[in-house]
Amino acid sequence: DAGVIQSPRHEVTEMGQEVTLRCKPISGHNSLFWYRQTMMRGLELLIYFNNNVPIDDSGMPEDRFSAKMPNASFSTLKIQPSEPRDSAVYFCASSLEGPKLFFGSGTQLSVL
Amino acid sequence: AQRVTQPEKLLSVFKGAPVELKCNYSYSGSPELFWYVQYSRQRLQLLLRHISRESIKGFTADLNKGETSFHLKKPFAQEEDSAMYYCALSPGLNTDKLIFGTGTRLQVFP
Repeated sequence: DAGVIQSPRHEVTEMGQEVTLRCKPISGHNSLFWYRQTMMRGLELLIYFNNNVPIDDSGMPEDRFSAKMPNASFSTLKIQPSEPRDSAVYFCASSLEGPKLFFGSGTQLSVL
Repeated sequence: AQRVTQPEKLLSVFKGAPVELKCNYSYSGSPELFWYVQYSRQRLQLLLRHISRESIKGFTADLNKGETSFHLKKPFAQEEDSAMYYCALSPGLNTDKLIFGTGTRLQVFP
C-alpha cells in the first residue's frame, strides 16, 4: 500500500482563485481527516469523516472552505475564493483503529 | 476547551544528553495522549501512545493526570532523533478526533 496519497504536492495560485486539494486514504480505513499546518498554530484539525460522513467540521475556518467524501477512497478539500492567509501545508490522514492516524505527504499551498 | 500546549518551539541538545519535550493538556475528561514525530522529508507518524506504556526508539512518556502533562523523555539523545515532535490528545468517547499541539523541533548536535 502506498499509504495516504495527496495531490497536488505543491499548489501556487492567485488570490480569489478556487483551489481543490485531493486525498486518497489507505484502503480499508474508515476515518479521514484534513489538517492545516502553519508555523504559528501548528496542526489544526479542519474536518473529519467517518464512513464517508462528516462528523466534526468545527475547525473549518469559514464558508470559503468545504470538504467532501463521495466514497471511501476519495476526498476533496476546496477553498473558494482563496486568500493569502490560507497559505499553509494541508495534510490528509486516515485511520482504522481509533486515533492512530496515517498521514499523507501534504500539499504546500501558496496563495499570492 | 480541549487544548494541547507545547511550550518550546525549539530544543537543542548534544548527542548523549537527556531530552525532555514538554506537553501539557487541558481536558475535563479522561483523554488518550499521543506523541507523533516527523523526521526530515518523511511523513508525520505515530511515535507512542500512553495506553501502550511502551518505549519506542528509547523514548518514554508518562501521563501525569495531576499535572495534566505527558512529557516525552529519552535518557541519551541520538543525532537521528532530530525531528519535529507533536503531542496530541484524543477526547476518547467514541471519537477518532486528534487535537495537536504546535510542535517542538528537536535538534541533536554531534
